[in-house]
Amino acid sequence: EAQVTQNPRYLITVTGKKLTVTCSQNMNHEYMSWYRQDPGLGLRQIYYSMNVEVTDKGDVPEGYKVSRKEKRNFPLILESPSPNQTSLYFCASSPVGVDTQYFGPGTRLTVL
Amino acid sequence: AQTVTQSQPEMSVQEAETVTLSCTYDTSENNYYLFWYKQPPSRQMILVIRQEAYKQQNATENRFSVNFQKAAKSFSLKISDSQLGDTAMYFCAFIPLGTGNQFYFGTGTSLTVIP
Repeated sequence: EAQVTQNPRYLITVTGKKLTVTCSQNMNHEYMSWYRQDPGLGLRQIYYSMNVEVTDKGDVPEGYKVSRKEKRNFPLILESPSPNQTSLYFCASSPVGVDTQYFGPGTRLTVL
Repeated sequence: AQTVTQSQPEMSVQEAETVTLSCTYDTSENNYYLFWYKQPPSRQMILVIRQEAYKQQNATENRFSVNFQKAAKSFSLKISDSQLGDTAMYFCAFIPLGTGNQFYFGTGTSLTVIP
């Protein structure tokens, strides 16, 4: 089944404890992206990647890191999480940049 | 700056009726793609409809259609014969071509279909 998977789906952590949210797609898509969703703000793009080893900042990259070492994986790293990073996070992929995004199921992150 | 505005935070419609959700956007690019996504209570993001800016014909997908007015930078979504399963948050989004492939989403419209 063609899909985008994210892990974990739910995470509660404490301020400053490094964490990684994984994202993987099995559709051989070139473009991958991370978003955060907050009430009243919609979805905001954190980082995106056009292909392996190519990443670019979105609108809200502060406090996040990404890497794209393999085409299928695009992990999101929070090296020192803070409470303002409490949010719902989505990973998405598309065949090429200017195309329909296919979304993962979301990761609910709470930083205490 | 690229922006997307959805001016209706909440809307409701009677089952079987028609409803229109509005979306305006701002970009200096001439070529771009526009999308409407649906997010039901399950939180999954689902593509509803997509429109290429270079196409004059409005996109349709079954009960969903758009009214794309390029000069006015408007991209509204019409849902005909509303069903209870249409209850969801709806997001308008676009990606301009040639400026880094960044996606821009609106703040969403919460639609409730009333039985």
